[in-house]
Amino acid sequence: QVQLKETGPGLVQPTQTLSITCTVSGFSLTSYYMQWVRQTPGKGLEWMGFIRSGGSTEYNSEFKSRLSISRDTSKNQVFLKMNSLKTEDTGVYYCARLAGSLRDYFDYWGQGVMVTVSS
Amino acid sequence: DIQMTQSPASLSASLGETVTIQCRASEDIYSGLAWYQQKPGKSPQLLIYGASSLQDGVPSRFSGSGSGTQYSLKISSMQTEDEGVYFCQQGLKYPYTFGAGTKLELK
Repeated sequence: QVQLKETGPGLVQPTQTLSITCTVSGFSLTSYYMQWVRQTPGKGLEWMGFIRSGGSTEYNSEFKSRLSISRDTSKNQVFLKMNSLKTEDTGVYYCARLAGSLRDYFDYWGQGVMVTVSS
Repeated sequence: DIQMTQSPASLSASLGETVTIQCRASEDIYSGLAWYQQKPGKSPQLLIYGASSLQDGVPSRFSGSGSGTQYSLKISSMQTEDEGVYFCQQGLKYPYTFGAGTKLELK
């Protein structure tokens, strides 16, 4: 069955870089777009960006200058890297699979990884 | 960006009661609207997509309707397991955006 699981550090210092891995099973990354969505106390749920089934990316302009999404299809993994972290980036980070066509939605989500940005 | 406004922010309902949650988009989203349920410590779970299509495995007491900028989620008979926070999400334009959520509690 479809499964997604995020792994990453629980604590990151301000100005440092956040790296999270999403490992998927039950489907192919070459058939689906994969998203990163975060949930913060300040802004709620925010779509951060995605990597298309073909490997190109699309980012929310809110994060564009400091966010990078990539993948390793041989390992069924999607990666998030975000630099210049601030305390406001504290929250839960989810990877999710995108479904739909022109009317997009997220049909499977990982359990999320809690990230605290603090010195 | 398309702004999504949910109402109410919170509500409580008795067992068996009908519950309706509203979501308004800042522009026409042509039924590109999904609803999610989130329970404490869990990730959001898809309930409805395309404004009115029920996701596989979701109980039939959940239904979605609407068009243009106005959408609603209805729970026809409140159950204990329906407690949680409900979010709407527009999937028409980047960046995809979410409502702030409606917290539903059992009265």
